[in-house]
Amino acid sequence: AQSVTQPDIHITVSEGASLELRCNYSYGATPYLFWYVQSPGQGLQLLLKYFSGDTLVQGIKGFEAEFKRSQSSFNLRKPSVHWSDAAEYFCAVIPFTSGTYKYIFGTGTRLKVLA
Amino acid sequence: DVKVTQSSRYLVKRTGEKVFLECVQDMDHENMFWYRQDPGLGLRLIYFSYDVKMKEKGDIPEGYSVSREKKERFSLILESASTNQTSMYLCASNPGGNPEAFFGQGTRLTVV
Repeated sequence: AQSVTQPDIHITVSEGASLELRCNYSYGATPYLFWYVQSPGQGLQLLLKYFSGDTLVQGIKGFEAEFKRSQSSFNLRKPSVHWSDAAEYFCAVIPFTSGTYKYIFGTGTRLKVLA
Repeated sequence: DVKVTQSSRYLVKRTGEKVFLECVQDMDHENMFWYRQDPGLGLRLIYFSYDVKMKEKGDIPEGYSVSREKKERFSLILESASTNQTSMYLCASNPGGNPEAFFGQGTRLTVV
């Protein structure tokens, strides 16, 4: 079945430490790929997206993600986490065959940042 | 900037009530979506609309209906609210030629 997997439900890091959030998808062709962030009580904010081209994508707030076709992965990274990064992060894909750009979301990873 | 506005941030309704959740976008987008968000389940698609008066079921349409009479407005209707519909509801829109969607702030619905 087509799916998006975020294997880590919760992650805790210390402020200033590096961060990597994992995302894997199971689709035949490379889908459109996204990372969104949701602060408590808020809607979703787009961090970055990958449609094609350079497999290392830069986003807002110092985040980047790398698309690896061989691993069907699109992991999110940040070299130094700030306390304000504490939030929930969602990986999402749009299958290439989707005619109306329907998102398929992962279950999310909740990030806690220790001072 | 694209703006997607959901009419209520918080709603409390009684079991059996008919509930309307409203969403308006100001960028003339063709596609509009309603998602439900629950802890541990991520966001799941309830319904989407690709044009005025056009709609398709998503992954979890049971207990919901939708209405899109004008391009900018997409309403989610709970015909008879039940406690298992207590959740966060997110509306989104995107233009026909661009995969990126824009999300509203969400409506947290509690059914008691």
